[in-house]
Amino acid sequence: QSALTQPASVSGSPGQSITVSCTGTSGDIGNYNLVSWYQQHPGKVPKLMIYEVSKRPSGVPDRFSGSKSGNTASLTISGLQAEDEADYYCNSFTTSDTWVFGGGTKLTVL
Amino acid sequence: QVQLVESGGGVVQPGRSLRLSCAASGFTFSSSAIHWVRQAPGKGLEWVAFISYDGSRKYYADSVKGRFTISRDNSKNTLYLQMNSLRTEDAAVYYCAKDRTDTWSFDSWGQGTLVTVSS
Repeated sequence: QSALTQPASVSGSPGQSITVSCTGTSGDIGNYNLVSWYQQHPGKVPKLMIYEVSKRPSGVPDRFSGSKSGNTASLTISGLQAEDEADYYCNSFTTSDTWVFGGGTKLTVL
Repeated sequence: QVQLVESGGGVVQPGRSLRLSCAASGFTFSSSAIHWVRQAPGKGLEWVAFISYDGSRKYYADSVKGRFTISRDNSKNTLYLQMNSLRTEDAAVYYCAKDRTDTWSFDSWGQGTLVTVSS
């Protein structure tokens, strides 16, 4: 159950787009379209932003989008806003009937 | 609206036990799978355990398998996590999280309960 690999940090200016990658294996991301993404502001509870690779729950702005290619999933935030500054975590179901998170990526809005 | 309220956290010595509870409301608890997820201070999220809507399926992270037991009482709308043989590395905020039906994602989270393991 090795953690998914995410960059420790990404940054962008307001209005720009950023992408956070999440790399797994054929035993998790590569085997299922069951990748989800979570946003967590400091001291707050995680919030579901994307599920099933690219679907957005109601209430999540369409600036947030997800995709997957092979063993790597990606979260893209377009039209970056100050309130997007947070930690982002990817997650995938695995062939071992477990779930695995990425290590998290700190997004800084410059 | 969906509400999940964890309780039972506290300070415990290594090797001892603790039972966490998660009281649910605002949705049909007996139809929902639930997870426990933890977060050590200043660290990332770690999935801990899953239980299906009827308790027939239970899955655990390798790090807790054999020491932790997840259970539920649908008559009380309550989820539990029995934690035995606690280790210092089990210290974390423990969240219960509702599974978004058939998507294997976590769509509602409680506020968490802090477990400190220290002698």
